[in-house]
Amino acid sequence: EIVMTQSPATLSVSPGERATLSCRASQSVSSNLAWYQQKPGQAPRLLIYGASTRATGIPARFSGSGSGTEFTLTISSLQSEDFAVYYCHQYNDWLSWTFGQGTKVGIK
Amino acid sequence: QLVESGGGVVQPGRSLRLSCAASGFTFSSYGMHWVRQAPGKGLERVAIIWFDGKNKYYADSVKDRFTISRDNSKNTLFLQMNSLRAEDTAVYYCARDQFRGLKGFAFDIWGQGTMVTVSS
Repeated sequence: EIVMTQSPATLSVSPGERATLSCRASQSVSSNLAWYQQKPGQAPRLLIYGASTRATGIPARFSGSGSGTEFTLTISSLQSEDFAVYYCHQYNDWLSWTFGQGTKVGIK
Repeated sequence: QLVESGGGVVQPGRSLRLSCAASGFTFSSYGMHWVRQAPGKGLERVAIIWFDGKNKYYADSVKDRFTISRDNSKNTLFLQMNSLRAEDTAVYYCARDQFRGLKGFAFDIWGQGTMVTVSS
């Protein structure tokens, strides 16, 4: 099973600042990597798929990059509604897909 | 849209059946998944089913206890959970493959989740 490791576990950012979240795979997942946002009491919401393609309706301040084993989600200018937990998800090993443990983005 | 139901409080060793009703898309064309999230924890794969229901895959933690199935005529996904344990306590989500096809995809539609609590 591919292990996905996210860092940092917690990130404190001021509104308007940039946030950079990392996700590392224990083996190559090519570009088969997605990012999700989850707010308390809500289901995850797809932000990025294919490592760098924004899902429908996702603001341009969200961007993804990387391939192979190293991936990054960048939020260029944090808005109040962006404070949440973010998960990466590999689906390269599609019958044993896995999520990272999450990064909580909180207000500084 | 996906809407789960069937969660609740159940004693260890008992059974529960979750349902996920789909609407607004051609349900029979998409692979579907059950994903769970224990309180305060991350997201965990539970089970996968192909669009036609012919192939199913399970996490080791639920293999031989849980069964995923679907009724494409009723646009509904199911999860039969037997021999429940305390560690199965979680919110259970159903989720849809983003695209049609037999390969891995992100999940673009999620249900709101249904809580399962296993406790005596």
